[in-house]
Amino acid sequence: EAQVTQNPRYLITVTGKKLTVTCSQNMNHEYMSWYRQDPGLGLRQIYYSMNVEVTDKGDVPEGYKVSRKEKRNFPLILESPSPNQTSLYFCATRETIPREQFFGPGTRLTVL
Amino acid sequence: AQSVTQPDIHITVSEGASLELRCNYSYGATPYLFWYVQSPGQGLQLLLKYFSGDTLVQGIKGFEAEFKRSQSSFNLRKPSVHWSDAAEYFCAVDEPGNTGKLIFGQGTTLQVKP
Repeated sequence: EAQVTQNPRYLITVTGKKLTVTCSQNMNHEYMSWYRQDPGLGLRQIYYSMNVEVTDKGDVPEGYKVSRKEKRNFPLILESPSPNQTSLYFCATRETIPREQFFGPGTRLTVL
Repeated sequence: AQSVTQPDIHITVSEGASLELRCNYSYGATPYLFWYVQSPGQGLQLLLKYFSGDTLVQGIKGFEAEFKRSQSSFNLRKPSVHWSDAAEYFCAVDEPGNTGKLIFGQGTTLQVKP
């Protein structure tokens, strides 16, 4: 079954404690992205990756890092989380053509 | 810069009534357009998409949407709403180029009255 998985699904942490949210896909897609969802703002792209070892900033990259060492994995790293990073995070993948995106189930992060 | 506007933040309809959710986009060429639904506490589910061709597209759960280039709109419709349709709906446009980014509207929350 084609899917995008994220872990953990829920996380409560404290300010400054480094964390990683993993994302994995089994569709062999080249494009992967991270979005955050906040009330009234819809979803905004944090980072994206066109392929292995190719990553770039999206619209709201401050406070986040990513890496793409394997095609299937695209972890999101918060090295020093702050309360304004409390949000719902989605990983997504996309094939080059057609340009349809597939979303993971989401990770709800709370930073105290 | 491209943008997507969903003018209605919140809509309430009675069960069995028809539904239309509005979406306007700003983009010069023919865009790739999507509607997603998010039930409470759930992820995003693709309802339908428009890439080209027939401007009336059918999706899952009885939804359809019509692309109108002259109005820069991609409104979502359903002839008879069910209580299970209560959710948040997002319109999105694919950003051309290599960012792999979807530009989302702010979302419309649908409430269904019994």
